[in-house]
Amino acid sequence: TQLLEQSPQFLSIQEGENLTVYCNSSSVFSSLQWYRQEPGEGPVLLVTVVTGGEVKKLKRLTFQFGDARKDSSLHITAAQPGDTGLYLCAEQIYNQGGKLIFGQGTELSVKP
Amino acid sequence: NAGVTQTPKFRILKIGQSMTLQCTQDMNHNYMYWYRQDPGMGLKLIYYSVGAGITDKGEVPNGYNVSRSTTEDFPLRLELAAPSQTSVYFCASSARDGSTEAFFGQGTRLTVV
Repeated sequence: TQLLEQSPQFLSIQEGENLTVYCNSSSVFSSLQWYRQEPGEGPVLLVTVVTGGEVKKLKRLTFQFGDARKDSSLHITAAQPGDTGLYLCAEQIYNQGGKLIFGQGTELSVKP
Repeated sequence: NAGVTQTPKFRILKIGQSMTLQCTQDMNHNYMYWYRQDPGMGLKLIYYSVGAGITDKGEVPNGYNVSRSTTEDFPLRLELAAPSQTSVYFCASSARDGSTEAFFGQGTRLTVV
């Protein structure tokens, strides 16, 4: 089973700061998804990356997929308190019912 | 649009009791999943199903059973509850295999005492 390592595990920053969260694997991802989870809720998909070197932007969030498809990063510019939550990366396994293998998550707290 | 609905939201069980966590989706998705989430551990896959009548084990299936008699419903059964099964359980569904969004329910917080 593929192991996904996320770092850092916890991050506490002030409003307006920038941050980067990392997701790494020892083997190649088939496709990688980033989810955000708020307390008491289920995860919600932010983005899916499939192609090595791919960059996707979602307002102040920038997602990168490594050229070798073994790592990914999420960068948030000018973080806001509304960005607070648990950020999870997950590999979707093709041909096995599309099941998701999750990293352990990065818990982000943005203080006003 | 209801999406994925889980019941109950909270439950306390005594050791050795059994219960069924209910999950239903109204999006006509073929693929459904059960995950558990423990603090600092992300989500671990318990069981999944690619369609009615078909189920398969995930990463942590021991102590659980599932069935999929209809496209809409995917109940998770706990037999002989143990403290190690204290967790938050999430049901999810997706339309097809590969690069598709998984939609999650709001979760069931289960405590076994």
